[in-house]
Amino acid sequence: GENVEQHPSTLSVQEGDSAVIKCTYSDSASNYFPWYKQELGKRPQLIIDIRSNVGEKKDQRIAVTLNKTAKHFSLHITETQPEDSAVYFCAASIRVGGGSRMEYGNKLVFGAGTILRVKS
Amino acid sequence: DAEITQSPRHKITETGRQVTLACHQTWNHNNMFWYRQDLGHGLRLIHYSYGVHDTNKGEVSDGYSVSRSNTEDLPLTLESAASSQTSVYFCASSEKSLANTGELFFGEGSRLTVL
Repeated sequence: GENVEQHPSTLSVQEGDSAVIKCTYSDSASNYFPWYKQELGKRPQLIIDIRSNVGEKKDQRIAVTLNKTAKHFSLHITETQPEDSAVYFCAASIRVGGGSRMEYGNKLVFGAGTILRVKS
Repeated sequence: DAEITQSPRHKITETGRQVTLACHQTWNHNNMFWYRQDLGHGLRLIHYSYGVHDTNKGEVSDGYSVSRSNTEDLPLTLESAASSQTSVYFCASSEKSLANTGELFFGEGSRLTVL
C-alpha cells in the first residue's frame, strides 16, 4: 500500500547544529518528494523538493537527498536557527488514475511529521 | 493576488449534525485536495478532484463527501458529524500535474470540534 514513514517524531538541536529528518516510502513508482514546513498555527508550505532523476538538491542551508534503490529520502538543515523551529513533513507522490475522467494525476502521501526545536 | 481560502476557520458542532467546510481558490488550478491533520498522523487525504465533476476518495474518506461543480470550489461535507472527526482540515490545490509544478498550495485550515 501507500505509506510514508518519517523519523524522528521530535528533534531538539542546539542553535548552529545540523538537523536530519529521514523518510521511507513504499511505492517504487513514486517520483516526486517534497518537504513542507508548518509553523505553529500556520499552513504547511513547501521548502524544498526533489524528483526521482536527481540524487541531491540544495537550497542555502537546506538540502534533500534521495536513494531510490533503498526508497528513502532525507532533509538536512545546517546551521540551524530558532526560526527553523516548526513541524516538518515529508511526502511522496503516488500516481493514480483520474477517476471518472480517466486522466492520470498525482496525489501526495505525507509522513506523520517531525517537530523540530532549535534551542538558542 | 491569487489565493486559496477556507471557511469557517473555526467551527464547533454537535454529533450528528451536517457540516460543510468551504474551500475556494483563485489560481484556476485543476487539482484540489482535502486533508485532515491530527497529532501523530500527519496530513491524511480525505478526497481529491482533478477537475470539474471529478471526485475521488482518499485514505480516510468514510463519513465525508465532496462535490466539484466549478474549478474554484471544493466544499467538504460531513454528513453526520462524529467526535472522531474533530480535527484541523486543510484544503489544497495544485496545477494539472504535480510532477510538473512541484507544489501544493494549502489554505489556512479549518479547526472543527465535534461535541
